[in-house]
Amino acid sequence: LAKTTQPISMDSYEGQEVNITCSHNNIATNDYITWYQQFPSQGPRFIIQGYKTKVTNEVASLFIPADRKSSTLSLPRVSLSDTAVYYCLVGDIRGGSYIPTFGRGTSLIVHP
Amino acid sequence: DADVTQTPRNRITKTGKRIMLECSQTKGHDRMYWYRQDPGLGLRLIYYSFDVKDINKGEISDGYSVSRQAQAKFSLSLESAIPNQTALYFCATSDSERGYLKGNEQFFGPGTRLTVL
Repeated sequence: LAKTTQPISMDSYEGQEVNITCSHNNIATNDYITWYQQFPSQGPRFIIQGYKTKVTNEVASLFIPADRKSSTLSLPRVSLSDTAVYYCLVGDIRGGSYIPTFGRGTSLIVHP
Repeated sequence: DADVTQTPRNRITKTGKRIMLECSQTKGHDRMYWYRQDPGLGLRLIYYSFDVKDINKGEISDGYSVSRQAQAKFSLSLESAIPNQTALYFCATSDSERGYLKGNEQFFGPGTRLTVL
């Protein structure tokens, strides 16, 4: 199973762009990269998912280089409400052997 | 109405007691999961079920058992609760039949805060 490594914590200020990078050196060919957001005392919420290149939705962008050994979640112009823990997961949930592994995630604190 | 519900939302119990946490979903998903979260730590998988007849242990299944009573219901039991099982417990679901872009998306319940004294 692919293991992910991401920073434990990050600080930013309102209006800035935040980039959180996740390393997954042993990602498999069929694996997808998925990011979740978790607010205190709530369950994680799906943000974005990608396989290669760039994916963008109304919440974030996900950049994946050609070798797919890392990925970067980009949050444009963050606000205080973006303060949360962000998790990077790698795997193929369609397969019977996939076990979702969340790890500690990256705790993002947005300051006024 | 919430798609994934958990009961109870909060529970205080004593060491040695048997308790059950329940999870129900109206999303029609085939896969269900139980996680626990401790302060400052990520979510750790306890058990998961890919359909009613398929139940698998996660990374921390010792001291827990589960029951998949129906596609929509997945219960977690602590046979004899101990203080280090004090944690926030989450149930989640996913759908293996959706397209590849959505196949990896899990939907979480609101959580059950369990305290074992």
